[in-house]
Amino acid sequence: QSALTQSASVSGSPGQSITISCTGTSSDVGGFNYVSWYQQHPGKAPKLIIYDVTKRPSGVSNRFSGSKSGYTASLTISGLQAEDEADYYCNSYMTSSPNYVFGTGTKVTVL
Amino acid sequence: EVQLVQSGAEVKQPGESLKISCQVSGHSFGDYWIGWVRQMPGKGLEWMGIIHFRDSDTRNSPSFQGQVTISADKSITTAYLHWRSLKASDSAIYYCTCAVDGTTWFDPWGRGTLVTVSS
Repeated sequence: QSALTQSASVSGSPGQSITISCTGTSSDVGGFNYVSWYQQHPGKAPKLIIYDVTKRPSGVSNRFSGSKSGYTASLTISGLQAEDEADYYCNSYMTSSPNYVFGTGTKVTVL
Repeated sequence: EVQLVQSGAEVKQPGESLKISCQVSGHSFGDYWIGWVRQMPGKGLEWMGIIHFRDSDTRNSPSFQGQVTISADKSITTAYLHWRSLKASDSAIYYCTCAVDGTTWFDPWGRGTLVTVSS
């Protein structure tokens, strides 16, 4: 099972909105509404920011939002802030073991 | 509050064995999956496998099958990752994380265990 495809890097100025895409297949992203997103700052463990495509855990800023169309899921960060500079990974449920697959990761840079 | 406490950093030589751990507290007994994730230096996240605490049902990634063993001891709510013979390419940070039964997202995460394999 290959990793889901994400753009390597995305950048934006403070206050702008950016969107990160995550493309899979009918066996993962396209087949289920079970995409989650994780934020990872350098030297830190990943942190859940979106689950079930569009839902936000308690405590996560509403500047983060998720969506999906076909085989591609997306994470949008609105009102970009310096603290949003991090790596972002999508994750999807899939039918074959180990039942989950990560995206390749996207580095977000705040200019 | 659910917490995952991972064992400390390890420095090993090639060919040595190693078992790292992840202790879970704050969860209902057995009703969750523990996942192990590898992150090689400067690289992305990779699923190694997941294990269910109640019955030790394990789903291994084909990429890691035969290279490492995932196990769990529900009596002490601890999951393990075991290598019989380490290679330099096993040098990485290993994270454990948790998903409640019936959900498909992983939260929280342990702080990670750094494994360095060098002669």
